[in-house]
Amino acid sequence: AQKITQTQPGMFVQEKEAVTLDCTYDTSDPSYGLFWYKQPSSGEMIFLIYQGSYDQQNATEGRYSLNFQKARKSANLVISASQLGDSAMYFCAMREGPYYGNNRLAFGKGNQVVVIP
Amino acid sequence: GAVVSQHPSRVICKSGTSVKIECRSLDFQATTMFWYRQFPKQSLMLMATSNEGSKATYEQGVEKDKFLINHASLTLSTLTVTSAHPEDSSFYICSAKAGGSEQYFGPGTRLTVT
Repeated sequence: AQKITQTQPGMFVQEKEAVTLDCTYDTSDPSYGLFWYKQPSSGEMIFLIYQGSYDQQNATEGRYSLNFQKARKSANLVISASQLGDSAMYFCAMREGPYYGNNRLAFGKGNQVVVIP
Repeated sequence: GAVVSQHPSRVICKSGTSVKIECRSLDFQATTMFWYRQFPKQSLMLMATSNEGSKATYEQGVEKDKFLINHASLTLSTLTVTSAHPEDSSFYICSAKAGGSEQYFGPGTRLTVT
């Protein structure tokens, strides 16, 4: 079964608008971490934001915020005030188990975002 | 922040030859390194997990004799693609973590086998 599901097709977003990228996950482990990465055409994986399963507050990092709905097992990324440089693939990933373990990441299929002026 | 480098960033090799990709943690000691493979417009697929000083653990379906992984020190892991074929052409990304940290990704290596 897929651990991370990202099903949205490629998205076009108007510059300065907000965009929400959907991510649902599947785990029975009470301790897990959720990540969002940005991958521009250069290929590097750029870490954006992290949410721990025990975190009470939704994570925020500058223009990025994570809408964490634990009961629904969703961890949607919100990018506010989109910029042309936000055009990239966005991957949601999950680590099962605590951070200090030897736990690998499961990645979703990604969302392609294109910001248009 | 933690920096992970990969070398080379891009390599072209002939079919049947072997190519080595290095992954280095520059400012921390990586007890664990991960190797991923990514085909165009697809997600990252974990190939193997390596711990310093021990044999790598390969994911199901990954040929360990074809993709040799060595994690000889706390700052260096290498992936050798042996007898490369055009179907091995892909983007290879490593990540590294210390005991109490998350994974930090390298910039990736684009391999083209002609």
